[in-house]
Amino acid sequence: SQTIHQWPATLVQPVGSPLSLECTVEGTSNPNLYWYRQAAGRGLQLLFYSVGIGQISSEVPQNLSASRPQDRQFILSSKKLLLSDSGFYLCAYWGGRTGGNTIYFGKGSWLTVV
Amino acid sequence: AQSVTQLGSHVSVSEGALVLLRCNYSSSVPPYLFWYVQYPNQGLQLLLKYTTGATLVKGINGFEAEFKKSETSFHLTKPSAHMSDAAEYFCAVSESNYGQNFVFGPGTRLSVLP
Repeated sequence: SQTIHQWPATLVQPVGSPLSLECTVEGTSNPNLYWYRQAAGRGLQLLFYSVGIGQISSEVPQNLSASRPQDRQFILSSKKLLLSDSGFYLCAYWGGRTGGNTIYFGKGSWLTVV
Repeated sequence: AQSVTQLGSHVSVSEGALVLLRCNYSSSVPPYLFWYVQYPNQGLQLLLKYTTGATLVKGINGFEAEFKKSETSFHLTKPSAHMSDAAEYFCAVSESNYGQNFVFGPGTRLSVLP
């Protein structure tokens, strides 16, 4: 079965510090992968998606970047965090035909920038 | 372009009462429709989905939704609310079988009163 892991679950970082959130998927190969952000009291915003190794599409220009160094690994990064980067970050993958043609989410990472 | 609106950012019901969460969408093609639930500090979990076929869709935890093309709606209902149903609910629409085309609504927070 397919599973998704995301870490760390929570982190508090000072303004100007770097960021790395990691996500891995098991039980599937070459999945479409996604990073979403959920700001307090707001809906979901798609930040990046990837259809394969090294292929990243950015939906919103911002202080963040994403990378996909391996087939089932997706990383969200920043060189210098801003206060506005605080929020709940969700990694997700596309289940495809065998996975019900829907999106599956990790448990999320709470980022607080202070 | 597709879009989703959810009427009511916060809905309160008494335990045992009917739950009705509203979702309206716009789409230029027959849509795929989804409801997700998010418990506090968790990722999103798929409740149910409509792709083709029967317009009344049953999901987990006793929830169901009905696709009404003429009303462009996909409202979520449950006959009798449980305290454990307190969560945030997201409606989503997709015009294709690809996750990057998913559009999420802003969410409705459901409170269940004893």
